[in-house]
Amino acid sequence: RKEVEQDPGPFNVPEGATVAFNCTYSNSASQSFFWYRQDCRKEPKLLMSVYSSGNEDGRFTAQLNRASQYISLLIRDSKLSDSATYLCVVSPLGRTDTGRRALTFGSGTRLQVQP
Amino acid sequence: DAGVTQSPTHLIKTRGQQVTLRCSPKSGHDTVSWYQQALGQGPQFIFQYYEEEERQRGNFPDRFSGHQFPNYSSELNVNALLLGDSALYLCASSLDSNEKLFFGSGTQLSVL
Repeated sequence: RKEVEQDPGPFNVPEGATVAFNCTYSNSASQSFFWYRQDCRKEPKLLMSVYSSGNEDGRFTAQLNRASQYISLLIRDSKLSDSATYLCVVSPLGRTDTGRRALTFGSGTRLQVQP
Repeated sequence: DAGVTQSPTHLIKTRGQQVTLRCSPKSGHDTVSWYQQALGQGPQFIFQYYEEEERQRGNFPDRFSGHQFPNYSSELNVNALLLGDSALYLCASSLDSNEKLFFGSGTQLSVL
């Protein structure tokens, strides 16, 4: 079983639609959670962190359910520019003596917003 | 403020050869992590360098090695290249225990 699992999609939605992605993780000791966005043939960029209480950034809302070990990302009022691959990211390892952790990425969910 | 820079951007090698990829972290960052991203997959963690030492390692063979220099820049070396090593190699930097990674644009390695 993969440490982080995502539906690869693609999700094809019209402009203005609301779309939701889910992600599950296997390590219950995971501490930190993120969503990254990756455009075609570009590097991943941090979209937002995910907190237990849920958090919102404009049209984007992220939620964490520790009991069920899943993370979600909701995009409202989709724009053409939202077309990208969304990577679910988990920090499963305990901190090393340097206080640094490695991040584990899911395979990503591809979103295509159509006019 | 320069972001993470990687070189070269593209590289073509043949099986059995060796390759060195380079990375300069974002200004002020002291930690460098390397990831391998195969087509259609998410980035896979190779290793992380801090204070010139390898601090964590993912599930990659010893053919993958690295180095960090006093100026925090880093190299990734891959020996005895296999066809399966063809991928986008991403370098990411961070500061202290902050887990937010800043990625370079990557080196696309093709092994023929």
